Amino acid sequence: AQSVTQLDSHVSVSEGTPVLLRCNYSSSYSPSLFWYVQHPNKGLQLLLKYTSAATLVKGINGFEAEFKKSETSFHLTKPSAHMSDAAEYFCVVSGALSTGIGKLIFGQGTTLQVKP
Amino acid sequence: KAGVTQTPRYLIKTRGQQVTLSCSPISGHRSVSWYQQTPGQGLQFLFEYFSETQRNKGNFPGRFSGRQFSNSRSEMNVSTLELGDSALYLCASSLLGAQNEQFFGPGTRLTVL
Repeated sequence: AQSVTQLDSHVSVSEGTPVLLRCNYSSSYSPSLFWYVQHPNKGLQLLLKYTSAATLVKGINGFEAEFKKSETSFHLTKPSAHMSDAAEYFCVVSGALSTGIGKLIFGQGTTLQVKP
Repeated sequence: KAGVTQTPRYLIKTRGQQVTLSCSPISGHRSVSWYQQTPGQGLQFLFEYFSETQRNKGNFPGRFSGRQFSNSRSEMNVSTLELGDSALYLCASSLLGAQNEQFFGPGTRLTVL
């Protein structure tokens, strides 16, 4: 079975400082992993995805994530936070059922606050 | 290319009523998935339709149902509404299926009074 745990429900950073949002996953086989962002009153937008190619994945808006199989982690980072980064972030693992047909399993989300 | 659209954006119903939500996927996408988002339970998968067939279902009661049309547009129906059904309902479309990259619509905010 697949599951995902976001280790922080709320992260607060100052503008211009680095961002780290932590995610651990559990999967019976090689997973596909995603980070999505949700701004207030908007749908979810894909930031980046890992699908067993390069372990360091670059996404939009300067975000990147590193897949570490030994640690079962997929943490999201950004070197310098911007006010517009304030949003809810979801770590997602692809869950394939016994039929081979999958679905996305979402973490509980991390609220990123960016202070001026 | 137009994104995923959902109608209506906001809906207020009373307990016991039923509701139908609509989702139009990105052109060419045959997979449509539905999710329920609440503060307490987070994002939960409802079901996925692919080429008019439901091929995946989450752990929701039978009051939640859906369908997909030949043009890939999808509808979700909730019967006998309960207060706990108040949520943001998100639709997502995908080219290759629900386990792959999905594109989300803005959601329908359902309030049950």
